[in-house]
Amino acid sequence: DVKVTQSSRYLVKRTGEKVFLECVQDMDHENMFWYRQDPGLGLRLIYFSYDVKMKEKGDIPEGYSVSREKKERFSLILESASTNQTSMYLCASGLSGLAGGRGQFFGPGTRLTVL
Amino acid sequence: GNSVTQMEGPVTLSEEAFLTINCTYTATGYPSLFWYVQYPGEGLQLLLKATKADDKGSNKGFEATYRKETTSFHLEKGSVQVSDSAVYFCALRSQGNNRLAFGKGNQVVVIP
Repeated sequence: DVKVTQSSRYLVKRTGEKVFLECVQDMDHENMFWYRQDPGLGLRLIYFSYDVKMKEKGDIPEGYSVSREKKERFSLILESASTNQTSMYLCASGLSGLAGGRGQFFGPGTRLTVL
Repeated sequence: GNSVTQMEGPVTLSEEAFLTINCTYTATGYPSLFWYVQYPGEGLQLLLKATKADDKGSNKGFEATYRKETTSFHLEKGSVQVSDSAVYFCALRSQGNNRLAFGKGNQVVVIP
């Protein structure tokens, strides 16, 4: 079974803090994704990575950055957390090309609250 | 661009009732189609998928058929249980694109 793990299930931070969310997958997938999920807005893609050290902006990259130094690990960084970044953050991984038709596989999510 | 439309609003039904959640899509070429389920407090799980026209995906009593002529991928289950209460997302992946386009999701509540 594909396993995607996220470093924390719940996180509480203060405005202005630097926040790191970590994601690890164990299936050698090329692609990794960070989404945020908010009521009424569904899932929105923040950033994704298709290879080590490679990244592309998603639909809402402002206020976030990412890092992928190893194939299995993809980090989301909030440089200076703000209250409007309070949300559920979901990490996912998947294969490229035709094998991508198998879908993306998600972690359990991190519920981040910024006070 | 690619997009997925799910019917508006939550769905509330009684145990053993028939469930349908509508999903239509806009995409070029021949996308792959997916249904994901999210149980309370958890991440998304892949429920079923179909990669070409007329394919039927099925899992845990749920089914969906890839209908290219109507650009639809409706989810059905013949007899729901309380444990099926969750949010259901329809998604597509177009050819040559590693991103998924998601619908807004439908909250399903099954009452005993």
